[in-house]
Amino acid sequence: GAVVSQHPSWVICKSGTSVKIECRSLDFQATTMFWYRQFPKQSLMLMATSNEGSKATYEQGVEKDKFLINHASLTLSTLTVTSAHPEDSSFYICSARVGTGDAETQYFGPGTRLLVL
Amino acid sequence: GQNIDQPTEMTATEGAIVQINCTYQTSGFNGLFWYQQHAGEAPTFLSYNVLDGLEEKGRFSSFLSRSKGYSYLLLKELQMKDSASYLCAGMDSNYQLIWGAGTKLIIKP
Repeated sequence: GAVVSQHPSWVICKSGTSVKIECRSLDFQATTMFWYRQFPKQSLMLMATSNEGSKATYEQGVEKDKFLINHASLTLSTLTVTSAHPEDSSFYICSARVGTGDAETQYFGPGTRLLVL
Repeated sequence: GQNIDQPTEMTATEGAIVQINCTYQTSGFNGLFWYQQHAGEAPTFLSYNVLDGLEEKGRFSSFLSRSKGYSYLLLKELQMKDSASYLCAGMDSNYQLIWGAGTKLIIKP
């Protein structure tokens, strides 16, 4: 089946540094990828929709200058948390979409845990 | 390897009960999640089980058997709005989520 990977799995960084998280579709191409943030035992909060070759679409309340998204190819999207602060500590999950309409399927990555000290 | 299996699609009748099964194989185990996802929306958290047994939350219940690597989501008194995809995800020893492909539930009047 379709596999989505994320790298790194865990990252611990100092406040003020930038962190890049990669999301890859390993055996399929995805023109659209999504970035979510999850707090413990809560629903996934959509941060942005990443479209290959164009600018990402950010959800209301998500700072686009803080969470930089680059979807440079059909198999890779990156999320860069710039000048990270402790409140950015969270579990970040990406997904890749294939198909459209009733045939649409999302495949989720395993997540990246970010801890900002 | 790590794997989550759940049926691709299920159909049920409004007002009835449906059980969506999920079997998992993970490297270590730190719990199992169920999410509901309507088309075009983000997944909504339904339940988290880490101990064996049944947890009931309104019309939705979730069951876990760690020895069998098995969980199910039980939906009672089905409503049309319950038509959605239901995602099963296991958390491994590294606290990574292993996702199932989702079960598309179709509710008929």
